[in-house]
Amino acid sequence: NAGVTQTPKFQVLKTGQSMTLQCAQDMNHEYMSWYRQDPGMGLRLIHYSVGAGITDQGEVPNGYNVSRSTTEDFPLRLLSAAPSQTSVYFCASSYSSGANNSPLHFGNGTRLTVT
Amino acid sequence: KQEVTQIPAALSVPEGENLVLNCSFTDSAIYNLQWFRQDPGKGLTSLLLIQSSQREQTSGRLNASLDKSSGRSTLYIAASQPGDSATYLCAVSKPTGANNLFFGTGTRLTVIP
Repeated sequence: NAGVTQTPKFQVLKTGQSMTLQCAQDMNHEYMSWYRQDPGMGLRLIHYSVGAGITDQGEVPNGYNVSRSTTEDFPLRLLSAAPSQTSVYFCASSYSSGANNSPLHFGNGTRLTVT
Repeated sequence: KQEVTQIPAALSVPEGENLVLNCSFTDSAIYNLQWFRQDPGKGLTSLLLIQSSQREQTSGRLNASLDKSSGRSTLYIAASQPGDSATYLCAVSKPTGANNLFFGTGTRLTVIP
């Protein structure tokens, strides 16, 4: 039972490059989301999805795109990387999408450095 | 906007000691509050979830309390062990809409053998 799987674990990009962070879950979870974690700050929500074909913006969406073509996958795309996007990125999922009492399950993160 | 604060930012205790971690939030309109554990280089693991109608939840040596009206929660760890060393994060969810969480910055706990 893999849970939430993120790839790659580490990535270094040059300013202006684009890339996709992958996230997959095998728990048939309805809700998926992306957070970034920066030193001295709490995790901040980038984008989220309440089901296949449905995505919405979180607190810090600028510079990122998402799509949800299947229940299992929720990739995060950096369109033109900037040093301010250096961070650790976490994907999370839960069984229900609405305000509910199902806990979030997190992947192990992708550490991204933009030079 | 919901703001979540955790104090202290770091804590060191000798093995066997009982300890309390604190979490406060500015908007009492929440659906639930969750405590997570994060080990270095790893993701977050859910420890306890307290529904807004509950006062506390227990799991083993962990006990979390919630006082929604005052915007406070505590995580009590009994008989601490070196394996408890990690960063502990609290997060609250909104009462409606999607299952999005607002996180505190965490308390880094070190239990000294």
